[in-house]
Amino acid sequence: DADVTQTPRNRITKTGKRIMLECSQTKGHDRMYWYRQDPGLGLRLIYYSFDVKDINKGEISDGYSVSRQAQAKFSLSLESAIPNQTALYFCATRDREGYGYTFGSGTRLTVV
Amino acid sequence: AQSVTQLDSQVPVFEEAPVELRCNYSSSVSVYLFWYVQYPNQGLQLLLKYLSGSTLVKGINGFEAEFNKSQTSFHLRKPSVHIRDTAEYFCAVYSGAGSYQLTFGKGTKLSVIP
Repeated sequence: DADVTQTPRNRITKTGKRIMLECSQTKGHDRMYWYRQDPGLGLRLIYYSFDVKDINKGEISDGYSVSRQAQAKFSLSLESAIPNQTALYFCATRDREGYGYTFGSGTRLTVV
Repeated sequence: AQSVTQLDSQVPVFEEAPVELRCNYSSSVSVYLFWYVQYPNQGLQLLLKYLSGSTLVKGINGFEAEFNKSQTSFHLRKPSVHIRDTAEYFCAVYSGAGSYQLTFGKGTKLSVIP
């Protein structure tokens, strides 16, 4: 099994729908992150969490919310999806002492 | 605040030729620097990282990078590329003081031509 698992891998949804992207990890890391990748823009940070009770906004949090259900689980929600949220979404983890991030395989979201 | 600039969005190169992918960063504090690779339809994989010590860092798949503090650069090099190196490469910077996040450049698409 992968260290960081994202579900679903692909999703097409309609404008206005609520959608949740899920991430789970077996690394035992405290820190978890959600990034969004758009062509030509690299990866941009949406939200990050240092533990279950510590959640922080990244540079592009508008239109998104997150939930850290447990140390191993970090979900990203789009309350009312819009077409410009069409992107590739990555979850990542990092341990407290090191600086290496472990990324999931990504969720490709299309909002029509 | 920290930022990363990857100077080339696309780099075509012939197989077995050398390549350099350029990365400059800005930060007011000490930084840790990374290069990630993304193969088509896959996630990101760490190529190499600079945390401290020797400024020449060797990574996987024959890649290396040199940290140059005076020029605030962290260019990625490979002396001889292969078709399988075709991918998108991301430079990233982490400065822990007040930031606690990894900031990415916009990526460089390396296309290796047979």
